[in-house]
Amino acid sequence: DGGITQSPKYLFRKEGQNVTLSCEQNLNHDAMYWYRQDPGQGLRLIYYSQIVNDFQKGDIAEGYSVSREKKESFPLTVTSAQKNPTAFYLCASSKVPGGTEAFFGQGTRLTVV
Amino acid sequence: QKEVEQDPGPLSVPEGAIVSLNCTYSNSAFQYFMWYRQYSRKGPELLMYTYSSGNKEDGRFTAQVDKSSKYISLFIRDSQPSDSATYLCAMGREYGNKLVFGAGTILRVKS
Repeated sequence: DGGITQSPKYLFRKEGQNVTLSCEQNLNHDAMYWYRQDPGQGLRLIYYSQIVNDFQKGDIAEGYSVSREKKESFPLTVTSAQKNPTAFYLCASSKVPGGTEAFFGQGTRLTVV
Repeated sequence: QKEVEQDPGPLSVPEGAIVSLNCTYSNSAFQYFMWYRQYSRKGPELLMYTYSSGNKEDGRFTAQVDKSSKYISLFIRDSQPSDSATYLCAMGREYGNKLVFGAGTILRVKS
């Protein structure tokens, strides 16, 4: 089945540690996105990529980093510089950037302990 | 002012009611309009996708876009308890590079 797979579903991090969230898609989509969701704030865009080896900052990129070495994969690293990393993280992809519907993974809930 | 405004609710209705969910927006360049349903602790799933103005129907769901008023709606007929979720609107521009989401409306359908 085609879709987007995020792993792990739950992740716990100690303060000062970097963690990497995985996102893989087999939809052959060009564009991929990372969003952060906090209660009452909707989805906020962290990073997006329109093509392999290229990505742009979204609205809240500080403290995060990404890579896009393969079309299928768009991992997100939450660094120790992110002051409030506890949140629900969603990865999405779309066939072309912006102009078509996006499909989401099931999310990763990150908790700092 | 946010680009997309959406009432967070919660909106509580009895089973069988017609539900109306709405978003307003400020950017006239938006051409693509989407509605997503998100159950608790899950990723959003695409419900409806509309290009430009007009209506689109899919089963119990109808999406309306009024570009002159910068207003979009999602109607749910014969609402069911399984429709209880958060509904997010999203919009994109022609040749744009990202979607803009509303904050989501929490819907509760009581049996």
